[in-house]
Order: sequence, then structure tokens, then C-alpha cells
Amino acid sequence: DADVTQTPRNRITKTGKRIMLECSQTKGHDRMYWYRQDPGLGLQLIYYSFDVKDINKGEISDGYSVSRQAQAKFSLSLESAIPNQTALYFCATSEGRGNTGELFFGEGSRLTVL
Amino acid sequence: GENVEQHPSTLSVQEGDSAVIKCTYSDSASNYFPWYKQELGKRPQLIIDIRSNVGEKKDQRIAVTLNKTAKHFSLHITETQPEDSAVYFCAAPYTGFQKLVFGTGTRLLVSP
Repeated sequence: DADVTQTPRNRITKTGKRIMLECSQTKGHDRMYWYRQDPGLGLQLIYYSFDVKDINKGEISDGYSVSRQAQAKFSLSLESAIPNQTALYFCATSEGRGNTGELFFGEGSRLTVL
Repeated sequence: GENVEQHPSTLSVQEGDSAVIKCTYSDSASNYFPWYKQELGKRPQLIIDIRSNVGEKKDQRIAVTLNKTAKHFSLHITETQPEDSAVYFCAAPYTGFQKLVFGTGTRLLVSP
């Protein structure tokens, strides 16, 4: 299922570097999300967007920023990466109203900050 | 804010046994409870969900039950198979139902 595509899939960087993770979708969904996954901590919401002009912080937005360039594109930036941002990052989309829509995840972007 | 507790964190069963994973939520207004399965190295995918107007939902070997009074819901997998081995996440909505909060996951291992 390539409906939600994330790039890059893997990235190794150094502390202090700026990193951008990109997400594009062909599902035609208005809602897009960025989640972070750490072992034993489940999926934590970083930012979410219900349309191009609507951006909202999630549970763990500090140190991150996002840009919704178009309905189909939602990018996540780390302005100055630090080692504890090493994690697996997932982009997701949904169609439904409120929260009752199924989330469709991308394949994930594994980021390592040295 | 909403909190979703999930137990156990790991579960090992023999092929053919049943597996049960339990989640507890805190917002009594929550009305939608999905379960996602994440196979090793793969993305999470929805396997079943339940809405608060029903107490149980089944789909072949998997079922979800909901107890709104106690604010907990459970995933039941019967006749487990090795391909059921994965991490399972429960979730519940909060903040006006605009966001899902995920549990911390249960790693299920089904041994042949």
C-alpha cells in the first residue's frame, strides 16, 4: 500500500543538524498526522492537521515543527536534532469526522541522531 | 488529558491458545476504540474497532469487548497462529474526540 509515502525511510544525522521528514498521500484525505514511536511508549502524537490552514500541536511537539504544503503533503522538521529524538516516525492520514476515522500509516522513517 | 493503559506489555502463548489484551481509558465520553496491529518492521494497521453503542464485535478469530461502566475494552484472539505474532495497540479519543491516544502496546508471541 503506497498510498501514504514517507521520505527518507532511514536517516542518520548529527546533533544540531536540521532534518526534514516528508509525507505525501494519494488517499485524498484531509487529515494528516505525525507520530513518534519509541520502544515501550507506543505511538505519541507530535502534530496534526485537519486541512491546509489548520495545524495543531500534539502530545510531544517541543523541538518539532510542521508544514502542510498542500492537502497531500505534510512535512515534519527538527530544527536542531538531538539524540533523544532518535525514533521511528510515522505519518498517517484519516478521512473521518472527529476521531472516528481509520488511520492509514506510512511505512515509517527511522531517524538516528548521533 | 486522556490516558490509555494497556496490559500486558508482553504475552507469550502456544499456537491454538487464546490471547487477551486489556486497555483502560479515562474519559467517560470516549466513544470509539480501535485496535491496531504492527508486524515486525511494518506500519500499524487497523484490525478491528468498536463504538460505544455496542458491547462486543467479532471478526473471524478476533473480537473486541467494551465495558463502558468500568471504562475498559479488550481484544480477544482465539485459535492463535504464528502469524498473529506482532505488537498490538489499543487507542481511545480525547480532546473533543479530535485525537487518538494510543496505549503502550502489547508484544504477542505465538509459538508453534
